[in-house]
Amino acid sequence: EIVMTQSPATLSVSPGERATLSCKASQSVGSNLAWYQQKPGQAPRLLFYGASTRATGVPARFSGSGSGTEFTLTLSSLQSEDFSVYYCQQFNNWPYTFGQGTKLEIK
Amino acid sequence: EVQLVESGGDLVQPGGSLRLSCSASGFTFSSYAMHWVRQTPGKGLEYVSVISSNGDSTYYADSVKGRFTISRENSKNTLYLQMSSLRPEDTAVYYCVKGPRTIFGVVDYWGQGTLVTVSS
Repeated sequence: EIVMTQSPATLSVSPGERATLSCKASQSVGSNLAWYQQKPGQAPRLLFYGASTRATGVPARFSGSGSGTEFTLTLSSLQSEDFSVYYCQQFNNWPYTFGQGTKLEIK
Repeated sequence: EVQLVESGGDLVQPGGSLRLSCSASGFTFSSYAMHWVRQTPGKGLEYVSVISSNGDSTYYADSVKGRFTISRENSKNTLYLQMSSLRPEDTAVYYCVKGPRTIFGVVDYWGQGTLVTVSS
């Protein structure tokens, strides 16, 4: 099973600033990496797939990058609605696995 | 608009059984793989099972293999998860998730989840 490790666990950033979230895989997953956003009491929402392809409705100030074992989610010009939990997930090997999440909180 | 509505979550005793259902709308259900994913505060998000669009292929997480069965009824746009020999560690919110046309690939839409509690 591929282990996905996200860092940091919690990130405190001021509105309007940039946040950079990291995700590392225990072995290569190619570009088969997705990012999800989850708000309290809601289901996860797909943000990116193929590491860098935005899902429908995702703002351009969000970007995803990386391949192999190291991936990054960058959120620019943070707005109040962006503060939530973000998960990475590999879909290269079954069982698909998620990282433990990064909580983005208001500084 | 894609909609996935889970039902069937309940409080059940260890060793008991439960069947979850997921009613799908807003897309051609029979053309897409479907998944069950669960979430707990302690273990986070965990894939449980996946089924191909025609139901011929299924895969399970090791933690549920032999105890859970995924199935679908395309004529009713409904996905199921039959759970047996339930354990306290199966306590979680269970999400029904839409997959791609092939059995493997990124999942996109999630239901709101149904809570399963295994406790005496």
